[in-house]
Amino acid sequence: SQQGEEDPQALSIQEGENATMNCSYKTSINNLQWYRQNSGRGLVHLILIRSNEREKHSGRLRVTLDTSKKSSSLLITASRAADTASYFCATSGGSYIPTFGRGTSLIVHP
Amino acid sequence: NAGVTQTPKFQVLKTGQSMTLQCAQDMNHNSMYWYRQDPGMGLRLIYYSASEGTTDKGEVPNGYNVSRLNKREFSLRLESAAPSQTSVYFCASSRESSPYGYTFGSGTRLTVV
Repeated sequence: SQQGEEDPQALSIQEGENATMNCSYKTSINNLQWYRQNSGRGLVHLILIRSNEREKHSGRLRVTLDTSKKSSSLLITASRAADTASYFCATSGGSYIPTFGRGTSLIVHP
Repeated sequence: NAGVTQTPKFQVLKTGQSMTLQCAQDMNHNSMYWYRQDPGMGLRLIYYSASEGTTDKGEVPNGYNVSRLNKREFSLRLESAAPSQTSVYFCASSRESSPYGYTFGSGTRLTVV
């Protein structure tokens, strides 16, 4: 299975701190995506990184991809209470359809 | 700028009843998907439609049927609901090989009693 597994399952930090969550997967991928889900809402696409890329930035988000270790990390810098959400990685291989992991639940305390 | 619209938002069914979940997108996307989300399980793909006129099974298709009515609309039908189908259902759409990822609807919370 291409399914990514996020780590940790839950993360609790103070506002202003950085939050790092990781995603590991088992087989080769074409791309990896990160999504955010606020409680009771649909998923929102954050960033996509292709297998030939090592790092991407979007605002306070930084995503890295290490294909040799089959892992990715999502860093949120200077976290805010509004960043409280679940974060999912989704991997795509031969099929363009991504497979989602089980998510990391992030709580940012004001 | 509606994006992906799902109806209804909430539904309670009795075991054995049938219902159709509706999904429509206004972004001219080719591909549409139905996922279910259960606690601790992440999102699992039920069915998808790569383009108008085609549908394919995903990871957990049993107990469901779909119809790609046109490019905009993709419906999910439960013919005989079971308690195991209690879940939150999400519809999503994408350009087939979009670099921008999926756009999700806000979900339908279904309870089967």
